[in-house]
Amino acid sequence: AQSVSQHNHHVILSEAASLELGCNYSYGGTVNLFWYVQYPGQHLQLLLKYFSGDPLVKGIKGFEAEFIKSKFSFNLRKPSVQWSDTAEYFCAVMGFGNEKLTFGTGTRLTIIP
Amino acid sequence: DGGITQSPKYLFRKEGQNVTLSCEQNLNHDAMYWYRQDPGQGLRLIYYSQIVNDFQKGDIAEGYSVSREKKESFPLTVTSAQKNPTAFYLCASTIQGGNTEAFFGQGTRLTVV
Repeated sequence: AQSVSQHNHHVILSEAASLELGCNYSYGGTVNLFWYVQYPGQHLQLLLKYFSGDPLVKGIKGFEAEFIKSKFSFNLRKPSVQWSDTAEYFCAVMGFGNEKLTFGTGTRLTIIP
Repeated sequence: DGGITQSPKYLFRKEGQNVTLSCEQNLNHDAMYWYRQDPGQGLRLIYYSQIVNDFQKGDIAEGYSVSREKKESFPLTVTSAQKNPTAFYLCASTIQGGNTEAFFGQGTRLTVV
């Protein structure tokens, strides 16, 4: 079965700290991978996506993620967080060809000024 | 402007009544999805549809029903069989078979009293 695990439920960091949020998926074939962000009171919006090619993908607002196929992981990183990064972050996987888009349980990120 | 429209934004129903949530998109997307978002549980897939007149159960389909009579529309009915219907419901769409992300509506908050 297709699934996504996000290990960190709530992360609290100070401004300028580095961030890494974990994401592992389960699927037996080729995948498309996504990170979405939901700022308080706003829509879900796409941070970045991986379809193929370079496993290190860069997204908006200085975020990046690395696809490690051998570890079934797609961790999200940012070298220096800002207070405005306070939000909930969701990792998602779509099995190639099956169109089923599955999300993780999310990680709430709180940045302390 | 292209996008996904969910209506209404807030919905109140009495226990035991069926209620239908609307989702319309003008993005010409093939695939559409319904998710339920609860605190600490992320987005859980209820139903999805890849083409008109076809849909598949997601991970938590019990107590819900859908139809896909038109490409633009994917209404979700929360039936009286759903034991805990109070939640935030999100609709999404994406191009089938294409390397693209899902786009989300603003959501409907359903409260059953």
